[in-house]
Amino acid sequence: DVKVTQSSRYLVKRTGEKVFLECVQDMDHENMFWYRQDPGLGLRLIYFSYDVKMKEKGDIPEGYSVSREKKERFSLILESASTNQTSMYLCASSYLGTWGADTQYFGPGTRLTVL
Amino acid sequence: AQTVTQSQPEMSVQEAETVTLSCTYDTSENNYYLFWYKQPPSRQMILVIRQEAYKQQNATENRFSVNFQKAAKSFSLKISDSQLGDTAMYFCAFMKQSSGTYKYIFGTGTRLKVLA
Repeated sequence: DVKVTQSSRYLVKRTGEKVFLECVQDMDHENMFWYRQDPGLGLRLIYFSYDVKMKEKGDIPEGYSVSREKKERFSLILESASTNQTSMYLCASSYLGTWGADTQYFGPGTRLTVL
Repeated sequence: AQTVTQSQPEMSVQEAETVTLSCTYDTSENNYYLFWYKQPPSRQMILVIRQEAYKQQNATENRFSVNFQKAAKSFSLKISDSQLGDTAMYFCAFMKQSSGTYKYIFGTGTRLKVLA
């Protein structure tokens, strides 16, 4: 079975702190994604990566950056956390199929609270 | 721009009954994928069912089936013989590939509660 793990289930940080959220997948997937999930807004794509050291902005990249130094690991960085970044963060991965990206496999999520 | 709309924020169904969750989307693309994902309370999101737009036949997975109406841009999920374990948030999602980039759009979700 595909396994996608995230470094923390719950995280509490203070405004202005630098926050790292890490995601690891064990299925050699090319694509990795970071979403935030908010009630009434569904999932919104922050960034995705289709290869090591490659990244593409999603729909809401402002205030976030990412790093992918190894194929299995994709990190989301909040350079200076703000209260409006309090949310559930979901990581996902998928194969790079012949037609396009296939089904996404999700991690358990990190619920981040910024005080 | 593509959009995905789930017009039912919450639904409930009696155990063993059938329920249909609606999803509509807007796109000018001809080739794309559609998905239903399930997120049980405090558990990971998992794929329920997927549909390739070029396939006319509706996808089915055991008790889960879709009604895919391409012209109407509708992609509803039918759950037959509902079970307590079906209680979850359900998300409809659209995906297409364009010039090496991938576009995933999720709906806002429908919270389904199965009643004993």
